[in-house]
Amino acid sequence: EVQLVESGGGLVQPGGSLRLSCAASGFTFSTSWMDWVRQAPGKGLEWVANINQGGSETYYVASVKGRFTISRDNAKKSLYLQMNTLRAEDTAVYYCATDLLGATPHWGQGILVTVSS
Amino acid sequence: QSVLTQPPSASGTPGQRVTISCSGSNSNIGRHTVNWYHQLPGTAPKLVIYSNNQRPSGVPDRFSGSKSGTSASLAISGLQSEDESDYYCATWDGSLNVVVFGGGTKLTVL
Repeated sequence: EVQLVESGGGLVQPGGSLRLSCAASGFTFSTSWMDWVRQAPGKGLEWVANINQGGSETYYVASVKGRFTISRDNAKKSLYLQMNTLRAEDTAVYYCATDLLGATPHWGQGILVTVSS
Repeated sequence: QSVLTQPPSASGTPGQRVTISCSGSNSNIGRHTVNWYHQLPGTAPKLVIYSNNQRPSGVPDRFSGSKSGTSASLAISGLQSEDESDYYCATWDGSLNVVVFGGGTKLTVL
């Protein structure tokens, strides 16, 4: 069974940093593109970033470029999202996901990040 | 404002057929396949259609998808109360190099 489990969320002040982690199991992590998707309270889904199998190729939504960094450790079957210079508008549930645009997507349960003073 | 445009709401009575549209451009829907997700409050999205018109196993054949040019549609026939949910279209945008989601459509079964 595919499992994606996010951790590292919580309350952080504006301008602060947070690192999200996603532990993967049940599929071949090292051969899968991985994504982060977020959803602000009461809002729709917003794709944040993705990373290729080896970590050499990354893409970001414009609003997080230069502030967020996606990375992975295939040996640990883990995906990360380093979030710096956080803003109130980054407040959201963050989902780890794979195969988003494919036939067998999987999503984590999501983790809440709240940016507030 | 989303790159893909969906109506914010749709509704129908049990047994009816409803259609949810997703309008994009040549750089996204025009060149790439579309997935459709539904999402219940407090839960992760779940796939209902992939590759424009393919149904994952376990999704009833009441759900169908189509694509024409720069637009895609999700149709639900024989509407049931459990279909009440938020629905999102998603695809790749080759000009922006990002995954794009529609703004979402809240489907209400009256």
